Amino acid sequence: AQTVTQSQPEMSVQEAETVTLSCTYDTSENNYYLFWYKQPPSRQMILVIRQEAYKQQNATENRFSVNFQKAAKSFSLKISDSQLGDTAMYFCAFISNNNDMRFGAGTRLTVKP
Amino acid sequence: DTGVSQNPRHKITKRGQNVTFRCDPISEHNRLYWYRQTLGQGPEFLTYFQNEAQLEKSRLLSDRFSAERPKGSFSTLEIQRTEQGDSAMYLCASSLGLAGHTQYFGPGTRLTVL
Repeated sequence: AQTVTQSQPEMSVQEAETVTLSCTYDTSENNYYLFWYKQPPSRQMILVIRQEAYKQQNATENRFSVNFQKAAKSFSLKISDSQLGDTAMYFCAFISNNNDMRFGAGTRLTVKP
Repeated sequence: DTGVSQNPRHKITKRGQNVTFRCDPISEHNRLYWYRQTLGQGPEFLTYFQNEAQLEKSRLLSDRFSAERPKGSFSTLEIQRTEQGDSAMYLCASSLGLAGHTQYFGPGTRLTVL
């Protein structure tokens, strides 16, 4: 079974600093995709960043970057220059060709002024 | 295009009643997904459609749940004989193309079963 584990239920960071959220997954598939989604309080889920497993290069989107370690089945998210608007639940997600997207339990990130 | 929309946003019902939710995906998206999210947890996959065909259903989707996408556009999710355990946020997402393409989520329907 494919599972996604986020071991940090809550994290906090000072504004302008850098924070890393952890995610590990378990799969026997070789071709799959990984995502980080952000869910602000009482707002809908939006995509932060996407990684294709066959690409060795780590994805980056402005202040957001990932450290994708395929052999270790690890997919961490780094947020640089944290902003107050980054406060949200962050979910790591996995999908392969079976179309059943699996999410982790989430990490609640609080950016402090 | 204004993104994925869901109606109603909130639904309160009594145990045993039937409820129906609607999802309108992004117009050109051929794939539509339903998820359930309980407090403090990540979304759990329920089912997905490619165009009008329902191609996969989770074991979470008991026989009290049914979903349709009759014309390959909007979708409905019906829960019959609701139970208190059905209380959750029901999320809809849509995407274009293959499984690895980004799913865009709607705001969700929050169901409370009394």
